[in-house]
This record gives sequence, structure tokens and C-alpha cells, in this order.
Amino acid sequence: DAMVIQNPRYQVTQFGKPVTLSCSQTLNHNVMYWYQQKSSQAPKLLFHYYDKDFNNEADTPDNFQSRRPNTSFCFLDIRSPGLGDAAMYLCATRKQGGMYQETQYFGPGTRLLVL
Amino acid sequence: QQQVKQSPQSLIVQKGGIPIINCAYENTAFDYFPWYQQFPGKGPALLIAIRPDVSEKKEGRFTISFNKSAKQFSLHIMDSQPGDSATYFCAASMGSSYKLIFGSGTRLLVRP
Repeated sequence: DAMVIQNPRYQVTQFGKPVTLSCSQTLNHNVMYWYQQKSSQAPKLLFHYYDKDFNNEADTPDNFQSRRPNTSFCFLDIRSPGLGDAAMYLCATRKQGGMYQETQYFGPGTRLLVL
Repeated sequence: QQQVKQSPQSLIVQKGGIPIINCAYENTAFDYFPWYQQFPGKGPALLIAIRPDVSEKKEGRFTISFNKSAKQFSLHIMDSQPGDSATYFCAASMGSSYKLIFGSGTRLLVRP
């Protein structure tokens, strides 16, 4: 089945230790998004890629970086995680153009714990 | 002006009841209004969506009512079932980027 896959599902890191979360998709969608969702809160967009074009949200901290080496993969790098970065990180994809271009397809998320 | 305000925060109904979740927005440039359903430990999944040129959209037991002049929209779940117990998020976006601004979410519990 075509889908959005996030690895790992759970990630524990230490305060200040860099961590990378990964997202892959078999949908061949050209747009990919990273959201941060803290406990009992709404998902908040961090950045998105339109093909290889990177678009950062104005209030996304510099501590968060992203890479998209090809259509299928996208990575979220947190350079120096703080306790406040503990959250669920959601990846989503969308296909620009076509009948259902508005729909974002979400992965199951990676829950990050910072000790 | 970029916010989407959602209420209530939580909702408990009996099986067969009709829970209603409300959202309001300020930015009249928003032109796409989806509802997402999220189960614990899962990512959100699109439930139903509407554009402001229609006042109502129905898909199965789920209905969106849209009031453009009031800048409000709501989700109605007919004949609710325990399996509908989840968190529901309204959202809004504008233009071709489809960047979603989510409401704060409503945790729905449907009792058997």
C-alpha cells in the first residue's frame, strides 16, 4: 500500500544531543511537510518542501533543519534538542495538481522524548 | 488573524447522539476548510472538507455546515458510534500552498 512512513516511531535523546527523524513516502507526492504536535495541542507547521524548494515558517526555531535528498525521503534534524522540543513530529505529503491536490496525507508520527 | 478557533475542547455523547464541533476564523482569504480525525498514536487523517462557495457538505454520517458571513463552520456526526471516539481538528488554508492552520482540537468520546 502507498503510504507515508516515519522512523523511528519513538525516539529518546539527551538534552543537546543532535537527533534526526526520517520520513519516506511511496505516494510520489511532490510536496512534503513537517509538523510539530505537542501534547493535547494542534499540529504546528515547521516547514515544507515544494519539490526541492524549501519553505521555512517564520516562527520555526533555527534549531530545526530539514533535508530532502530526493522525492521519497525527507529528514528533520534537531541540532540541540531542548526539553521544550519533546513532541510528536508529523510528516505529511501532498500531490500538487490533480483532483485531490488539497489533501495532505500524514504519517503516524515520531514521538520524541528529551531527557 | 491567522488563527482558527475551535470549540468545545472536549465532548462526551451517548451512542447515536449528534456531536457538533464548531470552528471560527478571521482571515477571509482562507478558501479551504478540512476536518481531520486523529486516533491516539496515529497521524491525522482527512475526514471531510469544504470550500466557501457551498454551505453544506455531507459524506456518510459526517456533515460540514459553513456560514461564510459569520466566518464559522462546524462538523456534525450523525448516529455517532464508539468508534468515532477520537480527536477532531478543523483547519483552514489559503491559496495553492495548502499550508494548514489547525484549530486546537476537540476530544470526542462516544459512550456505548
